[in-house]
Formats: sequence, structure tokens, C-alpha cells
Amino acid sequence: QKEVEQDPGPLSVPEGAIVSLNCTYSNSAFQYFMWYRQYSRKGPELLMYTYSSGNKEDGRFTAQVDKSSKYISLFIRDSQPSDSATYLCAMGSGGSNYKLTFGKGTLLTVNP
Amino acid sequence: DSGVTQTPKHLITATGQRVTLRCSPRSGDLSVYWYQQSLDQGLQFLIQYYNGEERAKGNILERFSAQQFPDLHSELNLSSLELGDSALYFCASSVEGGQLFSGNTIYFGEGSWLTVV
Repeated sequence: QKEVEQDPGPLSVPEGAIVSLNCTYSNSAFQYFMWYRQYSRKGPELLMYTYSSGNKEDGRFTAQVDKSSKYISLFIRDSQPSDSATYLCAMGSGGSNYKLTFGKGTLLTVNP
Repeated sequence: DSGVTQTPKHLITATGQRVTLRCSPRSGDLSVYWYQQSLDQGLQFLIQYYNGEERAKGNILERFSAQQFPDLHSELNLSSLELGDSALYFCASSVEGGQLFSGNTIYFGEGSWLTVV
């Protein structure tokens, strides 16, 4: 079983839709959970960061972590064509190094 | 623009050859990370340097090596290249190199596309 599983999609939604992106993981040591957005031919950029369980909201984006189920989600409200990108979940266990384990990414297209 | 600069942006080379990828971190960042992104493996952590010293190692092959220089730029050396090494190689940087916390965001460069033919 891979440490982090993410449905690669592709996911295609109309503008204004609510988008739900998800990852599951197997390593119970993960405490730090992130979502990165990667536009085509660009480097990933940090979108959301959450420590341990709970929800975090930032504008149209909400990140949820359920450590008991080893499941994290990213919700995008009122999706825009500019949200079209690959979304990668990433996780870390902390400690003295900064290794992040990434999901393979979900390709999202928001159609105008 | 993340402030992390990678060169070259694209590189095509033959099997068996050696290449060097270069990274300049953001101004003030002491830590540099190298990641490999391929379609089948996703984004894989290779190695991390902090202020010139190796801090953490991931799935880096023995044919690959890296270093961070006193001016904090880093180079990733890939030798005896194989077709399977074709991938996008990212450099990232952060201020600190230690425990993950919200302020220790890592910033990615735009990557170096390596094609081995």
C-alpha cells in the first residue's frame, strides 16, 4: 500500500461548482498536511497548510483533516477557470527533516 | 515567481551521459531540496541540504549526487543516465531546515525538464 493515495482524475466541473479533492494515507505518523497547486509546466505552490486534525478555511478554499480515518480533503467553492490545475496533497511527520510525501495529484479543469 | 531559480529549463541528452542541474534558492533561504516528478511516480523527494550540509535523503539513486555550495546555490548531478531518468526535476528552498511548522513554507522553482533519449 502506498503511503499516500490520490485519485488522479481528471476532474472536470462547470464554473461555480463546488470541488472536492481527497487523499488517503497509511502512515499514522503524519501530522502536517498540505495542499499544493501546480499549473502546467510550473512548480507546485503551497495552497493550504493544516496541522493535525480539523478544518482550515482560506477564502474559497477549505482543508479538512480526519486523522482517525487517515483522510484529507480540499474543497473549492465557487470554482473559477483559473483554478484549473493539478492539486497535490502532501504530508509530513515533522522531526528534524523536512521530507514531504506527495500524492500523485488530481488534474482539475473548471469550464467557463 | 517563487524566487527559486533553476537552470537549464530543458535538457535533452543521451543514455549514459552526465548532466548537472543548478538551483539558486530564494534570497535568505538556507535550505535546498531536490524533488523528481514523473508521471508514474509523482513528486518524489530526493535530498535536502541545509547551509551546506546534507540534512535528509530520500529516494535518490546512487548515480545521482548533490551538493550545496557556500553561496547556498545547489547542484544536482545525474550520471549514467537511463531512459527512466526522464522527468521534471524541482528544486525548492526554505528559510529553515528543521521541524515542519506553518512558517517554514518551502518554495518550488519552475523545474528542469530532463529528457534522456
